[in-house]
Amino acid sequence: NAGVTQTPKFQVLKTGQSMTLQCAQDMNHNSMYWYRQDPGMGLRLIYYSASEGTTDKGEVPNGYNVSRLNKREFSLRLESAAPSQTSVYFCASSEVSGSHNEQFFGPGTRLTVL
Amino acid sequence: GEDVEQSLFLSVREGDSSVINCTYTDSSSTYLYWYKQEPGAGLQLLTYIFSNMDMKQDQRLTVLLNKKDKHLSLRIADTQTGDSAIYFCAETALGNEKLTFGTGTRLTIIP
Repeated sequence: NAGVTQTPKFQVLKTGQSMTLQCAQDMNHNSMYWYRQDPGMGLRLIYYSASEGTTDKGEVPNGYNVSRLNKREFSLRLESAAPSQTSVYFCASSEVSGSHNEQFFGPGTRLTVL
Repeated sequence: GEDVEQSLFLSVREGDSSVINCTYTDSSSTYLYWYKQEPGAGLQLLTYIFSNMDMKQDQRLTVLLNKKDKHLSLRIADTQTGDSAIYFCAETALGNEKLTFGTGTRLTIIP
């Protein structure tokens, strides 16, 4: 099992460009998440999907859109990139049981916006 | 909203014990987690504890939970160079399945 995979690993964009970050999981999990990690701020939730066909905003959704394409795949789109979106982006998946939520993380995408 | 706090840095000599601390504000927290992030990698779950427990031990790892003070700690015995990483505390609560993460503590091992 590959677990959670993310593409690309690295990306450099110019301000105003758009791009889509891809995420896929092979654990048959219902829930998937997108986080950004910035120094000294931990992980902040951008969007999540509790099941196929549903998406919800997290703590920092502005400037992003998501698509839960099917149960396996959850993509994150930046329509018009800004320097403030320079960050490391992590996708995660889980099967929530009660309030136990053990999340499995991908290796991350390091994005720089110039 | 919920808040989870950690100190940003900790340095420990190889062979000593490391203690990483975390405080949280949500009194309805049910599960508390410790994740490890090695350089250039994603987060991996190390261990977790249910809120009705005081302690959980797993080989070199000991988790202590003081629910009254909303304080969680992770003790790593006989710290090795491979323990160098960022350690994140996180919690979930009844009715809120999303994880709330702390800022992470960067553990540095001194040879």
